[in-house]
Amino acid sequence: NAGVTQTPKFQVLKTGQSMTLQCAQDMNHEYMSWYRQDPGMGLRLIHYSVGAGITDQGEVPNGYNVSRSTTEDFPLRLLSAAPSQTSVYFCASGNSGATDTQYFGPGTRLTVL
Amino acid sequence: QKEVEQDPGPLSVPEGAIVSLNCTYSNSAFQYFMWYRQYSRKGPELLMYTYSSGNKEDGRFTAQVDKSSKYISLFIRDSQPSDSATYLCAVSTSGTYKYIFGTGTRLKVLA
Repeated sequence: NAGVTQTPKFQVLKTGQSMTLQCAQDMNHEYMSWYRQDPGMGLRLIHYSVGAGITDQGEVPNGYNVSRSTTEDFPLRLLSAAPSQTSVYFCASGNSGATDTQYFGPGTRLTVL
Repeated sequence: QKEVEQDPGPLSVPEGAIVSLNCTYSNSAFQYFMWYRQYSRKGPELLMYTYSSGNKEDGRFTAQVDKSSKYISLFIRDSQPSDSATYLCAVSTSGTYKYIFGTGTRLKVLA
Protein backbone atom coordinates (compact mmCIF):
# COMPACT_ATOMS: atom_id res chain seq x y z
CA ASN A 1 0.00 0.00 0.00
CA ALA A 2 1.23 3.48 -0.86
CA GLY A 3 -0.92 4.95 1.93
CA VAL A 4 -1.72 8.65 1.43
CA THR A 5 0.02 10.34 -1.48
CA GLN A 6 0.13 14.04 -2.29
CA THR A 7 1.25 15.94 -5.38
CA PRO A 8 3.03 18.19 -5.99
CA LYS A 9 5.65 18.24 -3.22
CA PHE A 10 6.47 21.92 -3.81
CA GLN A 11 4.66 24.71 -5.63
CA VAL A 12 5.21 28.44 -6.13
CA LEU A 13 2.26 30.55 -7.27
CA LYS A 14 1.68 34.19 -7.98
CA THR A 15 -1.14 36.04 -6.26
CA GLY A 16 -4.41 35.42 -8.09
CA GLN A 17 -3.38 32.15 -9.73
CA SER A 18 -5.38 29.01 -9.19
CA MET A 19 -4.22 25.47 -8.63
CA THR A 20 -5.29 22.07 -7.34
CA LEU A 21 -3.44 20.05 -4.72
CA GLN A 22 -3.93 16.35 -5.28
CA CYS A 23 -4.48 13.74 -2.59
CA ALA A 24 -5.08 10.02 -3.02
CA GLN A 25 -5.31 7.07 -0.64
CA ASP A 26 -5.38 3.34 -1.38
CA MET A 27 -6.64 2.11 2.00
CA ASN A 28 -10.35 2.37 1.14
CA HIS A 29 -10.79 4.91 3.93
CA GLU A 30 -14.12 6.68 4.15
CA TYR A 31 -12.80 9.79 5.81
CA MET A 32 -10.40 12.28 4.21
CA SER A 33 -9.32 15.72 5.28
CA TRP A 34 -7.07 18.65 4.46
CA TYR A 35 -5.00 20.55 7.02
CA ARG A 36 -2.63 23.45 6.77
CA GLN A 37 0.37 23.81 9.05
CA ASP A 38 1.82 27.20 9.90
CA PRO A 39 4.58 28.08 12.40
CA GLY A 40 3.16 28.60 15.88
CA MET A 41 -0.36 27.63 14.75
CA GLY A 42 -0.16 23.87 14.57
CA LEU A 43 -2.32 21.93 12.13
CA ARG A 44 -5.69 23.47 11.27
CA LEU A 45 -8.52 21.67 9.51
CA ILE A 46 -9.58 23.20 6.17
CA HIS A 47 -12.18 20.78 4.77
CA TYR A 48 -13.10 17.17 5.31
CA SER A 49 -15.18 14.43 3.71
CA VAL A 50 -16.92 11.46 5.31
CA GLY A 51 -17.47 9.68 2.00
CA ALA A 52 -17.82 10.13 -1.75
CA GLY A 53 -20.11 13.05 -2.52
CA ILE A 54 -20.05 14.42 1.05
CA THR A 55 -17.84 17.32 2.14
CA ASP A 56 -17.91 19.85 4.95
CA GLN A 57 -15.98 22.84 6.22
CA GLY A 58 -13.38 22.76 8.92
CA GLU A 59 -11.85 25.56 10.95
CA VAL A 60 -10.27 27.59 8.10
CA PRO A 61 -12.22 26.92 4.85
CA ASN A 62 -12.16 30.38 3.23
CA GLY A 63 -10.34 30.50 -0.11
CA TYR A 64 -10.43 26.71 -0.62
CA ASN A 65 -12.81 24.35 -2.41
CA VAL A 66 -13.00 20.56 -2.28
CA SER A 67 -14.95 17.78 -3.93
CA ARG A 68 -15.03 14.00 -3.42
CA SER A 69 -16.17 12.10 -6.48
CA THR A 70 -14.40 8.84 -5.56
CA THR A 71 -13.36 7.15 -2.31
CA GLU A 72 -9.70 7.39 -3.29
CA ASP A 73 -9.28 11.05 -4.27
CA PHE A 74 -9.82 14.32 -2.42
CA PRO A 75 -8.39 17.34 -4.30
CA LEU A 76 -8.05 20.78 -2.72
CA ARG A 77 -8.57 23.80 -5.01
CA LEU A 78 -7.23 27.29 -4.49
CA LEU A 79 -9.34 29.51 -6.75
CA SER A 80 -7.36 32.75 -6.38
CA ALA A 81 -4.19 32.29 -4.38
CA ALA A 82 -3.21 34.86 -1.75
CA PRO A 83 0.08 35.25 0.19
CA SER A 84 -1.82 34.26 3.36
CA GLN A 85 -2.21 30.79 1.84
CA THR A 86 1.54 30.21 1.93
CA SER A 87 1.75 27.11 4.10
CA VAL A 88 2.41 23.38 4.20
CA TYR A 89 -0.70 21.40 3.29
CA PHE A 90 -1.35 17.89 4.57
CA CYS A 91 -3.98 15.45 3.47
CA ALA A 92 -5.12 12.69 5.84
CA SER A 93 -7.42 9.70 5.69
CA GLY A 94 -9.04 7.42 8.24
CA ASN A 95 -11.61 4.70 8.64
CA SER A 96 -14.79 5.02 10.65
CA GLY A 97 -15.05 2.70 13.58
CA ALA A 98 -13.65 2.37 17.04
CA THR A 99 -10.21 3.80 16.53
CA ASP A 100 -10.96 7.17 14.94
CA THR A 101 -7.35 7.54 13.82
CA GLN A 102 -6.03 9.34 10.78
CA TYR A 103 -2.97 8.81 8.59
CA PHE A 104 -1.20 11.72 6.96
CA GLY A 105 0.44 12.23 3.59
CA PRO A 106 3.92 13.74 3.13
CA GLY A 107 2.66 17.28 2.51
CA THR A 108 2.74 19.96 -0.19
CA ARG A 109 4.82 23.06 0.49
CA LEU A 110 3.09 26.04 -1.16
CA THR A 111 4.48 29.55 -1.53
CA VAL A 112 2.30 32.37 -2.87
CA LEU A 113 4.22 35.45 -4.00
CA GLN B 1 -8.10 30.46 25.14
CA LYS B 2 -6.98 27.78 22.70
CA GLU B 3 -8.80 24.46 22.90
CA VAL B 4 -5.50 22.58 23.14
CA GLU B 5 -2.35 24.06 24.67
CA GLN B 6 1.11 22.60 24.20
CA ASP B 7 4.50 23.99 25.16
CA PRO B 8 6.43 24.53 21.90
CA GLY B 9 9.85 23.83 23.45
CA PRO B 10 12.46 23.19 22.26
CA LEU B 11 13.20 20.52 24.79
CA SER B 12 16.77 19.16 24.84
CA VAL B 13 17.63 16.00 26.77
CA PRO B 14 20.62 13.64 26.88
CA GLU B 15 20.37 10.21 25.31
CA GLY B 16 18.79 7.69 27.68
CA ALA B 17 16.70 10.27 29.57
CA ILE B 18 13.00 9.90 30.28
CA VAL B 19 11.06 12.53 28.36
CA SER B 20 7.69 13.89 29.43
CA LEU B 21 5.57 15.79 26.89
CA ASN B 22 2.26 17.35 27.87
CA CYS B 23 -0.89 19.00 26.60
CA THR B 24 -3.89 20.53 28.28
CA TYR B 25 -7.33 20.88 26.74
CA SER B 26 -10.43 22.85 27.62
CA ASN B 27 -13.44 20.88 26.32
CA SER B 28 -14.55 17.94 28.44
CA ALA B 29 -16.39 16.47 25.40
CA PHE B 30 -13.10 15.28 23.88
CA GLN B 31 -12.92 11.50 24.03
CA TYR B 32 -10.07 10.58 21.67
CA PHE B 33 -6.48 11.56 22.38
CA MET B 34 -3.65 11.07 19.93
CA TRP B 35 0.08 11.69 19.79
CA TYR B 36 1.76 12.21 16.44
CA ARG B 37 5.47 12.41 15.71
CA GLN B 38 6.64 14.68 12.90
CA TYR B 39 10.17 14.65 11.56
CA SER B 40 11.43 17.75 9.81
CA ARG B 41 9.77 18.26 6.42
CA LYS B 42 7.67 15.10 6.75
CA GLY B 43 4.02 14.38 7.46
CA PRO B 44 2.83 13.57 10.99
CA GLU B 45 2.82 9.86 11.83
CA LEU B 46 0.52 8.35 14.42
CA LEU B 47 2.42 7.29 17.52
CA MET B 48 -0.17 6.59 20.18
CA TYR B 49 -3.93 6.62 20.42
CA THR B 50 -6.04 6.55 23.61
CA TYR B 51 -9.76 6.48 24.07
CA SER B 52 -11.09 8.12 27.25
CA SER B 53 -8.95 8.03 30.40
CA GLY B 54 -6.10 5.81 31.39
CA ASN B 55 -2.67 4.69 30.28
CA LYS B 56 -1.49 2.98 27.13
CA GLU B 57 1.97 1.56 26.61
CA ASP B 58 3.76 0.68 23.38
CA GLY B 59 7.43 -0.20 23.71
CA ARG B 60 9.30 2.84 25.03
CA PHE B 61 6.23 5.07 24.73
CA THR B 62 3.45 5.56 27.29
CA ALA B 63 0.42 7.77 26.74
CA GLN B 64 -1.56 8.96 29.73
CA VAL B 65 -4.91 10.74 29.86
CA ASP B 66 -6.34 12.41 32.97
CA LYS B 67 -9.81 13.63 32.02
CA SER B 68 -10.47 15.09 35.48
CA SER B 69 -7.69 17.63 34.97
CA LYS B 70 -7.93 17.71 31.16
CA TYR B 71 -4.28 16.76 30.86
CA ILE B 72 -2.60 14.37 28.44
CA SER B 73 0.98 13.17 28.55
CA LEU B 74 3.44 11.20 26.47
CA PHE B 75 6.42 9.58 28.17
CA ILE B 76 9.43 8.33 26.24
CA ARG B 77 11.78 6.00 28.11
CA ASP B 78 15.43 5.50 27.17
CA SER B 79 15.23 8.33 24.65
CA GLN B 80 17.33 8.02 21.48
CA PRO B 81 18.68 10.61 19.04
CA SER B 82 16.22 9.14 16.51
CA ASP B 83 13.39 10.39 18.77
CA SER B 84 14.38 13.96 17.89
CA ALA B 85 11.25 15.34 16.23
CA THR B 86 8.22 17.50 16.88
CA TYR B 87 5.50 15.79 18.91
CA LEU B 88 1.91 16.88 18.33
CA CYS B 89 -1.01 16.06 20.56
CA ALA B 90 -4.49 15.90 19.02
CA VAL B 91 -7.98 15.52 20.47
CA SER B 92 -11.39 14.85 19.02
CA THR B 93 -14.94 14.18 20.12
CA SER B 94 -16.51 10.79 19.69
CA GLY B 95 -17.69 9.98 16.18
CA THR B 96 -15.90 12.84 14.44
CA TYR B 97 -12.55 13.08 12.75
CA LYS B 98 -12.35 16.82 13.38
CA TYR B 99 -9.05 16.80 15.18
CA ILE B 100 -7.86 19.76 17.21
CA PHE B 101 -4.07 19.80 17.30
CA GLY B 102 -1.65 21.33 19.75
CA THR B 103 1.09 23.47 18.25
CA GLY B 104 3.69 20.73 18.83
CA THR B 105 6.74 20.38 21.09
CA ARG B 106 10.14 20.19 19.43
CA LEU B 107 12.32 17.54 21.09
CA LYS B 108 16.06 17.15 20.67
CA VAL B 109 17.81 14.08 22.12
CA LEU B 110 21.54 14.64 22.33
CA ALA B 111 23.95 11.73 21.72
